[in-house]
Amino acid sequence: EPEVTQTPSHQVTQMGQEVILRCVPISNHLYFYWYRQILGQKVEFLVSFYNNEISEKSEIFDDQFSVERPDGSNFTLKIRSTKLEDSAMYFCASRREGVDYGYTFGSGTRLTVV
Amino acid sequence: AQSVTQLGSHVSVSEGALVLLRCNYSSSVPPYLFWYVQYPNQGLQLLLKYTSAATLVKGINGFEAEFKKSETSFHLTKPSAHMSDAAEYFCAVSLNAGKSTFGDGTTLTVKP
Repeated sequence: EPEVTQTPSHQVTQMGQEVILRCVPISNHLYFYWYRQILGQKVEFLVSFYNNEISEKSEIFDDQFSVERPDGSNFTLKIRSTKLEDSAMYFCASRREGVDYGYTFGSGTRLTVV
Repeated sequence: AQSVTQLGSHVSVSEGALVLLRCNYSSSVPPYLFWYVQYPNQGLQLLLKYTSAATLVKGINGFEAEFKKSETSFHLTKPSAHMSDAAEYFCAVSLNAGKSTFGDGTTLTVKP
């Protein structure tokens, strides 16, 4: 069964450093998303991406965040200057166009900012 | 606007007993509704989805959910709990097949 692949599975970074979280969505999917889950809390929407541009973003997705689909297969989330409160599990998801609206989620990247 | 409320942050059942996880939604337009399961240190796996077809939706692992518009509910059930069902379950709503809004989650514990 096709999978969404996220790398790395765990990243530790120092406060103020830039991090890039990587995702390889399912090849025939057209919609891409990033969500995050702070430990013990609910899953929160960050951003959606379609047709090479952001289609929607949440209040969390401020100027410190950016997304990119650099080569037609990877989908990245960059945090320019990490804060302690950015520590969370970050999930990438994708879905295809059509009536099947359920996402396929990746296994997540656990980001720890120290 | 859209929102989801999951009643009960923790549910405990005995193995073989009925599982009932509650979800109520708020939506200004007909919603799409989903249940996801998350095992420890893993991602989110789609259990089932409602996309305006049949109101009783069957999913994987023997789970099903019924969309009740009059009650704005989408409760998840399984007739007989198995130890392997122990996990966290999230209900989610999407208005236009775009972003999903998740509930707070319900941790299911299955006692032997």
